[in-house]
Amino acid sequence: NAGVMQNPRHLVRRRGQEARLRCSPMKGHSHVYWYRQLPEEGLKFMVYLQKENIIDESGMPKERFSAEFPKEGPSILRIQQVVRGDSAAYFCASSPLSSGGPDTQYFGPGTRLTVL
Amino acid sequence: LAKTTQPISMDSYEGQEVNITCSHNNIATNDYITWYQQFPSQGPRFIIQGYKTKVTNEVASLFIPADRKSSTLSLPRVSLSDTAVYYCLVGDSTGGYNKLIFGAGTRLAVHP
Repeated sequence: NAGVMQNPRHLVRRRGQEARLRCSPMKGHSHVYWYRQLPEEGLKFMVYLQKENIIDESGMPKERFSAEFPKEGPSILRIQQVVRGDSAAYFCASSPLSSGGPDTQYFGPGTRLTVL
Repeated sequence: LAKTTQPISMDSYEGQEVNITCSHNNIATNDYITWYQQFPSQGPRFIIQGYKTKVTNEVASLFIPADRKSSTLSLPRVSLSDTAVYYCLVGDSTGGYNKLIFGAGTRLAVHP
């Protein structure tokens, strides 16, 4: 039973380019979360999606960042016109979110974005 | 979501039991307590989750007193490979989703 998959594991972009980060949730999970982690800090929530719906994007920067979770295929976190401050590790987590119980999130290995 | 407070760092030696305590004075009735472990360059790994009293699995035990204002993660007989950052989180997802709020965590260093 494969865990959460993220690719690429490492991504290097120059300022102004676009970054696309992919996340495939665990089998049977239809809920995806994206988090960002700066060095020596804890993870910060960005967005929560269900299939074809963005439920909570309160942690997403208002500009340049977008996320989607299509009916088919992985969830995508897209960063347009990247700046050096976007350099961080981006983690995806998935959960089954069964009703009546706590939501346990399972994390992927992350994508480390470096902006030159 | 309830704020948590945990020690910034801890040191231990192989074979010892390690107890990491987390304070969450403002925990709400529906909140669960969850602990994650994170190694460098990896995503957080779920360790254990509980609501009250004691929970035990193959990796750790979680002790939660009656007032639930704190919790203690207990790692029996640690090894070098347990060196990691440990995060304590509280949150309610019984009615929906749960955007986890991570603090700085506790950096555990296990020495030979």
